[in-house]
Amino acid sequence: ETGVTQTPRHLVMGMTNKKSLKCEQHLGHNAMYWYKQSAKKPLELMFVYNFKEQTENNSVPSRFSPECPNSSHLFLHLHTLQPEDSALYLCASSQGRTDGYTFGSGTRLTVV
Amino acid sequence: AQSVSQHNHHVILSEAASLELGCNYSYGGTVNLFWYVQYPGQHLQLLLKYFSGDPLVKGIKGFEAEFIKSKFSFNLRKPSVQWSDTAEYFCAVNAGASGGSYIPTFGRGTSLIVHP
Repeated sequence: ETGVTQTPRHLVMGMTNKKSLKCEQHLGHNAMYWYKQSAKKPLELMFVYNFKEQTENNSVPSRFSPECPNSSHLFLHLHTLQPEDSALYLCASSQGRTDGYTFGSGTRLTVV
Repeated sequence: AQSVSQHNHHVILSEAASLELGCNYSYGGTVNLFWYVQYPGQHLQLLLKYFSGDPLVKGIKGFEAEFIKSKFSFNLRKPSVQWSDTAEYFCAVNAGASGGSYIPTFGRGTSLIVHP
């Protein structure tokens, strides 16, 4: 257990479905992130939240919609995804610039 | 925008061999540098980090890295690897962004396989 909990661990969804990924941290960190990890590609930063405010949106398609209701919870709402969106989605949190990130175990998403 | 380059995508070593994984970044300002490790089937975890002071930093499990500012490098080293070091290794950089926030950027990763 890392202190960052992601649910579900695995998700299979059709292209017309709507689903949400959840991330929770109780480390007292003030920043939370969504990353996409695909095979043979660098980790792709998707969204950054600092103190619940979205500070970065890394040109992510609108079919991915983040939500950060408080500094401990982060969601990623998914709708009308494409098969190429299949990947491991990682949530991370951090306290400050000089701190490292604490990662969750990820959600393995398969779009069929 | 900053970028991180890891030169070795795949490294295969025998146990007790020495390891050096290259990492270069492109950013002209103040940076904070990290190495992360992802063991098979496990989450990413911090191996070591540099933010100021001694450019030679020591991390967990006998790993160390040296920050060479003039070369924009932060190479990871271990004098004698073990089979249990088989994992994916990621170099990462925190650089400044607008509004006082910072953007973390990761390298592509290096897959290390250690044969017993």
